[in-house]
Amino acid sequence: DTGVSQDPRHKITKRGQNVTFRCDPISEHNRLYWYRQTLGQGPEFLTYFQNEAQLEKSRLLSDRFSAERPKGSFSTLEIQRTEQGDSAMYLCASSSSGGSDEQYFGPGTRLTVT
Amino acid sequence: GENVEQHPSTLSVQEGDSAVIKCTYSDSASNYFPWYKQELGKRPQLIIDIRSNVGEKKDQRIAVTLNKTAKHFSLHITETQPEDSAVYFCAASRETSGSRLTFGEGTQLTVNP
Repeated sequence: DTGVSQDPRHKITKRGQNVTFRCDPISEHNRLYWYRQTLGQGPEFLTYFQNEAQLEKSRLLSDRFSAERPKGSFSTLEIQRTEQGDSAMYLCASSSSGGSDEQYFGPGTRLTVT
Repeated sequence: GENVEQHPSTLSVQEGDSAVIKCTYSDSASNYFPWYKQELGKRPQLIIDIRSNVGEKKDQRIAVTLNKTAKHFSLHITETQPEDSAVYFCAASRETSGSRLTFGEGTQLTVNP
């Protein structure tokens, strides 16, 4: 599969634990985005990378959230000290700056905080 | 920041009828407007997009219109089929900066056979 992949697909954790999600974009895409989607809502932007540089962060991204893209390829999103309100689907998307600007989404990681 | 409003939140049509979903946006600098279809439990998938230098774009049964003056854009689906049933999201962005998509709240479209 040459699309955007995310791992894990599902994560159940207890409140207060740390979790880390991984996203592998389409290989030739230099832009990578993280969004969060709760039930019945549209995706909400969290952060955006161009290559390894984190160029934009939403105010939704509290200090418990951190994202990295160390080599400009895959990215990780870490949530520290999880809260029940963090329960959501975390979606990754990628696009190419030299292409159509279409953002291709991954299947998401569904996080449940108990 | 950008704010995108989408209406209606639910839409039920008979197979073969047309469906129209409308969105408004607030940021006059937005110039890229994609529409995504999301089936239950699946990832959002782009179905059509439009840029601010055109007023209408069509792809088979799907069309999108854009009114930059009024800051609204619409999705039109003709000859609807049961497989068109899904949640549809509009979005807006300042394409040139390659930045965030701001999504509407979604429209649950149900096409009844």
